[in-house]
Amino acid sequence: GAVVSQHPSRVICKSGTSVKIECRSLDFQATTMFWYRQFPKQSLMLMATSNEGSKATYEQGVEKDKFLINHASLTLSTLTVTSAHPEDSSFYICSARPLAAKYNEQFFGPGTRLTVL
Amino acid sequence: KQEVTQIPAALSVPEGENLVLNCSFTDSAIYNLQWFRQDPGKGLTSLLLIQSSQREQTSGRLNASLDKSSGRSTLYIAASQPGDSATYLCAVRGSARQLTFGSGTQLTVLP
Repeated sequence: GAVVSQHPSRVICKSGTSVKIECRSLDFQATTMFWYRQFPKQSLMLMATSNEGSKATYEQGVEKDKFLINHASLTLSTLTVTSAHPEDSSFYICSARPLAAKYNEQFFGPGTRLTVL
Repeated sequence: KQEVTQIPAALSVPEGENLVLNCSFTDSAIYNLQWFRQDPGKGLTSLLLIQSSQREQTSGRLNASLDKSSGRSTLYIAASQPGDSATYLCAVRGSARQLTFGSGTQLTVLP
């Protein structure tokens, strides 16, 4: 149980284009979903927290107009990187917290490797 | 602001050795602490979660301890195997229920 999927697993795009990444909780409903970014040899940095049906809360330094987050349902959140640039190349990981999370646990997706040329 | 530090950044050991990974955090007002494993290019797998009121948790060959007052946690891996090779991340959950991650320890177990 508690499986989180991400799609795509890997994407390469040209500079200036937009890329959408999907995060789904497959066997549970998630009130809260989190988006993290991980640069090589570095740890995960929280980008934003989203609750179903409301606007996402972005961490300091994360541009909300560049990283659009939509938490449309209790099982789906999307992250859209708009007008992507090479510096946006990173590993993006989503995480989902179940409605009845024990100890506020959250479960992580397998990640999406974004490469912007 | 919570800061989480993991030492060492990388560790290489021969198969069969017991080893300890260290994690320290600056703000002791935590809700719980979690150890994760991350394989190259993959997401995170939760290994152990320790509540702030607990001192340790065990799962198989893994044992995690927590000393909240000193801001430290250790992950002990017994009888290491090549399959244990991965990056191990320590993460602290604060009062806002958000996770703050350390930078990880990259473990290589040599056959």
